[in-house]
Amino acid sequence: GQNIDQPTEMTATEGAIVQINCTYQTSGFNGLFWYQQHAGEAPTFLSYNVLDGLEEKGRFSSFLSRSKGYSYLLLKELQMKDSASYLCAVLDSNYQLIWGAGTKLIIKP
Amino acid sequence: DAMVIQNPRYQVTQFGKPVTLSCSQTLNHNVMYWYQQKSSQAPKLLFHYYDKDFNNEADTPDNFQSRRPNTSFCFLDIRSPGLGDAAMYLCATSRTGESNQPQHFGDGTRLSIL
Repeated sequence: GQNIDQPTEMTATEGAIVQINCTYQTSGFNGLFWYQQHAGEAPTFLSYNVLDGLEEKGRFSSFLSRSKGYSYLLLKELQMKDSASYLCAVLDSNYQLIWGAGTKLIIKP
Repeated sequence: DAMVIQNPRYQVTQFGKPVTLSCSQTLNHNVMYWYQQKSSQAPKLLFHYYDKDFNNEADTPDNFQSRRPNTSFCFLDIRSPGLGDAAMYLCATSRTGESNQPQHFGDGTRLSIL
């Protein structure tokens, strides 16, 4: 079966750095997405990785290792508004998006 | 400006009473998706359209139907809602549905069943 694993919840301090991990087992791989979802709102696109390595976008970076079936989202200089769920999703060989259940990130002052 | 628009944001219906949720897009994207998302769970794909080509997920209940009369609009019909259908329903679009095209989501419709 297809599976995406992420921690259920993480807590971090304002101004700090946090890394949210995602491991996946899917039928094929056509890229990995990270989305941010605030409570009661729709997911918004953060990043896309299809090749191994680090993609940096401002305070957010995303890393991929295809051989390990592993990705992480790195958030720097955390702000209170970063409190949200972060969803990892993999595009499989049929171009279907397989979603993780999300990691709820709680930022404390 | 909102590019994927869902109406209404909140919908209340009675057990067994048909309800229709709507989605429109100004992106002219080929692919439109309907997801169901329950609290603290991953979005669950119900179906998607590639242009007029309808694709139903194997485990989507028959109670759920969809229509896409044109590129811009897509509807989700729930024929006889049960208590278990209370959820957030998300509409999303993507340009081609392939590779690096992210899905763009509407704000969702939160459906409550009385």
